[in-house]
Amino acid sequence: AQSVTQPDIHITVSEGASLELRCNYSYGATPYLFWYVQSPGQGLQLLLKYFSGDTLVQGIKGFEAEFKRSQSSFNLRKPSVHWSDAAEYFCAVGASNGGGNKLTFGTGTQLKVEL
Amino acid sequence: GAVVSQHPSWVICKSGTSVKIECRSLDFQATTMFWYRQFPKQSLMLMATSNEGSKATYEQGVEKDKFLINHASLTLSTLTVTSAHPEDSSFYICSARVPPSGYTFGSGTRLTVV
Repeated sequence: AQSVTQPDIHITVSEGASLELRCNYSYGATPYLFWYVQSPGQGLQLLLKYFSGDTLVQGIKGFEAEFKRSQSSFNLRKPSVHWSDAAEYFCAVGASNGGGNKLTFGTGTQLKVEL
Repeated sequence: GAVVSQHPSWVICKSGTSVKIECRSLDFQATTMFWYRQFPKQSLMLMATSNEGSKATYEQGVEKDKFLINHASLTLSTLTVTSAHPEDSSFYICSARVPPSGYTFGSGTRLTVV
């Protein structure tokens, strides 16, 4: 069974500072990996995804993530955080071999941005 | 492209009544849709997977008689919370699989049972 761990429940950074949100996954084969952002009371917006190929993935809003198979990680990064980035961030893993095609989500990381 | 419209965005209902939540794929055909439940400040928990024209597959612990899912067409899936009780109050989100390997999410429905 696939699983996702986001070790950090809350993270606070200053505006303009760099950001890294951690995500570790467990899956037997090469996974499909996703990062989503959720504002309060809203649905999920896809930031980026990894299926195969280049392990450094560029997403929207200046975010990027790197797939590291040896570490089973898919950490999300941003060089300079903006106040509008404050939100809940979810890492998710999907099965590449079918598995019902369902996504398994991590518990999320709440990002607070200090001005 | 690949937009899912979810309605209503919020609903308040009396205990014992039923509530229907709709998710429509606007510009693509959604063969597979997923229904999630999210408690405050928690992650999304998959409730069920529905495939057009067949019965939904429910996750362990989800009452299929309470959470009725219908996916009768390629553009519409519905979740009906039957005989709702306050403990059913939650944020419900639908998602559709977008081939080959993507997903798109509805904007969610806040259900409050009083």
